[in-house]
Amino acid sequence: DVKVTQSSRYLVKRTGEKVFLECVQDMDHENMFWYRQDPGLGLRLIYFSYDVKMKEKGDIPEGYSVSREKKERFSLILESASTNQTSMYLCASTLSPDRGGETQYFGPGTRLLVL
Amino acid sequence: GQNIDQPTEMTATEGAIVQINCTYQTSGFNGLFWYQQHAGEAPTFLSYNVLDGLEEKGRFSSFLSRSKGYSYLLLKELQMKDSASYLCAVMDSNYQLIWGAGTKLIIKP
Repeated sequence: DVKVTQSSRYLVKRTGEKVFLECVQDMDHENMFWYRQDPGLGLRLIYFSYDVKMKEKGDIPEGYSVSREKKERFSLILESASTNQTSMYLCASTLSPDRGGETQYFGPGTRLLVL
Repeated sequence: GQNIDQPTEMTATEGAIVQINCTYQTSGFNGLFWYQQHAGEAPTFLSYNVLDGLEEKGRFSSFLSRSKGYSYLLLKELQMKDSASYLCAVMDSNYQLIWGAGTKLIIKP
């Protein structure tokens, strides 16, 4: 079974703090994604990565950065947290970059509250 | 722009059948996914359709009409554990997933 883990289930941070969210997958997947999920909105893609040290902006990258130093690990960084970044953050991975039908496997999510 | 529409909430009775619709307008099409998401948990894969027609998988079936930009998820013999949100997502021409906001399904005894 594919396993995607995230470093924290719940986080509370203060405005202006630097926040690191980590995601690890154990199936040698090439693709990794970071989404945020807010009530009434679909999952919105923040950043994704097709390979080590490679990153691409998604639909809402502002205020975020990412790091992929190893294939299995994809980190999301909030450089200076703001209250509008309070959300559920979901990490996902898939096997290959350019194939239809490849399901995304999700981590359990991190609920971030920025005060 | 790209758009996925699905009802916000539906209610059904245990043992009954429910159909959750999804309409989409996207830049290209490389398949449509349905995911289930229980409250506070991660989405889990239910089905994938890339050709027109019905795909059946136990109590769950998914239908696709590419010409109409339309899909539905059919859940039969509803159980209380089916109470969840159901997310429709379309893979566009760049192999990116475009997600609907999800349909919250409430099952009543």
